[in-house]
Amino acid sequence: AQSVTQLGSHVSVSEGALVLLRCNYSSSVPPYLFWYVQYPNQGLQLLLKYTSAATLVKGINGFEAEFKKSETSFHLTKPSAHMSDAAEYFCAVTNVSGNKLVFGAGTILRVKS
Amino acid sequence: DGGITQSPKYLFRKEGQNVTLSCEQNLNHDAMYWYRQDPGQGLRLIYYSQIVNDFQKGDIAEGYSVSREKKESFPLTVTSAQKNPTAFYLCASSYSGVPNYGYTFGSGTRLTVV
Repeated sequence: AQSVTQLGSHVSVSEGALVLLRCNYSSSVPPYLFWYVQYPNQGLQLLLKYTSAATLVKGINGFEAEFKKSETSFHLTKPSAHMSDAAEYFCAVTNVSGNKLVFGAGTILRVKS
Repeated sequence: DGGITQSPKYLFRKEGQNVTLSCEQNLNHDAMYWYRQDPGQGLRLIYYSQIVNDFQKGDIAEGYSVSREKKESFPLTVTSAQKNPTAFYLCASSYSGVPNYGYTFGSGTRLTVV
C-alpha cells in the first residue's frame, strides 16, 4: 500500500535559515506526490506537487521539492525561512487506485526570530 | 471565485446529540472527502464519494454518516455513536480519475462536545 513517512514531528529553524522537511514514500507504482501547508485553524493549501514532468518542483512561497526515486524521497526545502512559514506541513501520495490521497502525520515548523 | 465552503466554523455538541457539518463546493469536482484531524495524528479519512449517490467508508467511518444527493454537497453527520467526536473536521474535493490533480480543502469545522 502507498504510504508516506515524515521524519520529525517538529522542526525548528531560525529566520533566514534553510528549511528542510523530510518525506519518504512507499509506492508500488510511480507515485504522484504532494506537499500541503496548514496554518492554525485553517484548511490545507497545496504548496506543490510531483507528477513526473520534472524531478525538481517549484511551489508557492519560495518552496521547492526534489523527487529522488533512488532514495524514495520528496523532501521540501526553502532557502531562507520567514516567520510567516510557521505552520504544519503534510506530505501526501496518491493511492494505487488513484482515487485517494494518503497523508503523512505532518511536521510542525517553528521559525525563531 | 470557486472553492469549498464548510459551515459552521465552530460547533458544539451535547452528549447524545447528532450534528451535521456542511460542505459545499462550486468547483465542479466529482469527488469529495471528509477527514478528521486530531493533534499529532495527521488526517484520517472518514468517508469519500466519487460520484453522486455513491460513497465509501474510509478508515474511521464508525459513528459517522454521509449523503451525496447533489454533486456540490457532501454533508457529514456525527452521530451519538461517535464516542469521541471532539476534533477538527476537513472537507476536500477533487476530480475523479485525475490522480495527479490533488485536493482542494475547505477551511474546516471545529467540533467540541460540551
